[in-house]
Amino acid sequence: DTGVSQNPRHKITKRGQNVTFRCDPISEHNRLYWYRQTLGQGPEFLTYFQNEAQLEKSRLLSDRFSAERPKGSFSTLEIQRTEQGDSAMYLCASSHFSGNTIYFGEGSWLTVV
Amino acid sequence: EDKVVQSPLSLVVHEGDTVTLNCSYEVTNFRSLLWYKQEKKAPTFLFMLTSSGIEKKSGRLSSILDKKELFSILNITATQTGDSAVYLCAALLGSQGNLIFGKGTKLSVKP
Repeated sequence: DTGVSQNPRHKITKRGQNVTFRCDPISEHNRLYWYRQTLGQGPEFLTYFQNEAQLEKSRLLSDRFSAERPKGSFSTLEIQRTEQGDSAMYLCASSHFSGNTIYFGEGSWLTVV
Repeated sequence: EDKVVQSPLSLVVHEGDTVTLNCSYEVTNFRSLLWYKQEKKAPTFLFMLTSSGIEKKSGRLSSILDKKELFSILNITATQTGDSAVYLCAALLGSQGNLIFGKGTKLSVKP
C-alpha cells in the first residue's frame, strides 16, 4: 500500500493524558498536512510541513498541540493534557511540492473520556 | 475570512435520480476547487477544477467550476446506493497548497 498511512487508527484516552499520532505520507510527497474533523463538519486545517520545515500553523493549534517532521518523511502530532473537546478524527494528508491534489490517510480517531 | 459553503447540507433521493450538489467559495489566493467523497473514513479524491467552464467527468459524476461567480457544482446521474456518502468541496489556496473545506453535503440514496 503506497497511500498515506496513519496510526493508531483509534485511541481512547483519559482526560489529561498525552497522545501521539503518526503519519507516513506517500513517499515522493514533500508536503504533509494535519487536519482535524469533528462530526458534521468538514476537515479543519491544523498545520503543514514542506520537507522538515513547519511552514504554517492554524490558530486552532493550541499550545497543547505540537507537530514534528524531523527527517522530512513521517510526522507526529502530539496532544498534551487532552481535553474532551479534543475528541475528533485527526487526518493526515500529503502532496507534491506543487500542492496539486492532496491525498488523505484513513485518519486517527481520538476519544477523550 | 476564507470560507466555503455547500448546499444542501443533506439530501435524500431514490436510486436512479440525478442530483446536483452546490459549492460556493470566498477565499484569498484561490488556485483550484476540489471535490472529495467521504464514507466514514478519510476523504477520497474525486475532481480538481482549475479553469472555468471546463467540465470534468468520471463515469456518472461530473463537475464544473465558475470562477466569475465563485461556485462549483457536482452532478451525479443515475444514483446508486453506493453513492451514499458525504461530499466535500474544498478550495485549494495558492501559496501553501492548503485546503479550506465546506461542511459537506450528506447524500443518502434509497433503494
